[in-house]
Amino acid sequence: KAGVTQTPRYLIKTRGQQVTLSCSPISGHRSVSWYQQTPGQGLQFLFEYFSETQRNKGNFPGRFSGRQFSNSRSEMNVSTLELGDSALYLCASSFDLSYEQYFGPGTRLTVT
Amino acid sequence: GENVEQHPSTLSVQEGDSAVIKCTYSDSASNYFPWYKQELGKGPQLIIDIRSNVGEKKDQRIAVTLNKTAKHFSLHITETQPEDSAVYFCAATPGNYGGSQGNLIFGKGTKLSVKP
Repeated sequence: KAGVTQTPRYLIKTRGQQVTLSCSPISGHRSVSWYQQTPGQGLQFLFEYFSETQRNKGNFPGRFSGRQFSNSRSEMNVSTLELGDSALYLCASSFDLSYEQYFGPGTRLTVT
Repeated sequence: GENVEQHPSTLSVQEGDSAVIKCTYSDSASNYFPWYKQELGKGPQLIIDIRSNVGEKKDQRIAVTLNKTAKHFSLHITETQPEDSAVYFCAATPGNYGGSQGNLIFGKGTKLSVKP
């Protein structure tokens, strides 16, 4: 079974721009969560989606948003990029809300 | 909210020795505690997890113990091998999210180096 896939793997953007990252969960998984990983703050929860509905949200500004489609694929969007948004953005999927999470390889975002 | 502390931040062992990583959590309602291994350039890989109704779980060379009273849990790796070298993260799920496990709170990580 294929794992979680994330596209693109690397991205360079300029401050003020917006970016959209994509995540395809493991086949059959219905829940997708997003995390931001930085050297200073570590792994931080962004949001969780299940059946196209946002179930939980972490402590991030409104510039960070996401959505989930009917096929469970998910996207996250960051508007008005800031230098501090440079990070590895990780997507994780699980079969259901109470099951184990499996992570993708991440998208490395660099904001210049 | 939930806070997870992890120690040590770095750990160096000789091949064949055991390694122990410890984590404490603050939310007594937390009920799910996974451990992840992250190698360079890769996403975290789930290696073992434990739920609050279990005190210990083993999977070959890896074991996790949970002490709910003290609010701490530990990862034990026996007979370490060079390929065990990676960054290990503990995590906990806060108890106020209606059973959802999608909002993991992570420790800061432990860089484990296994010397041949």
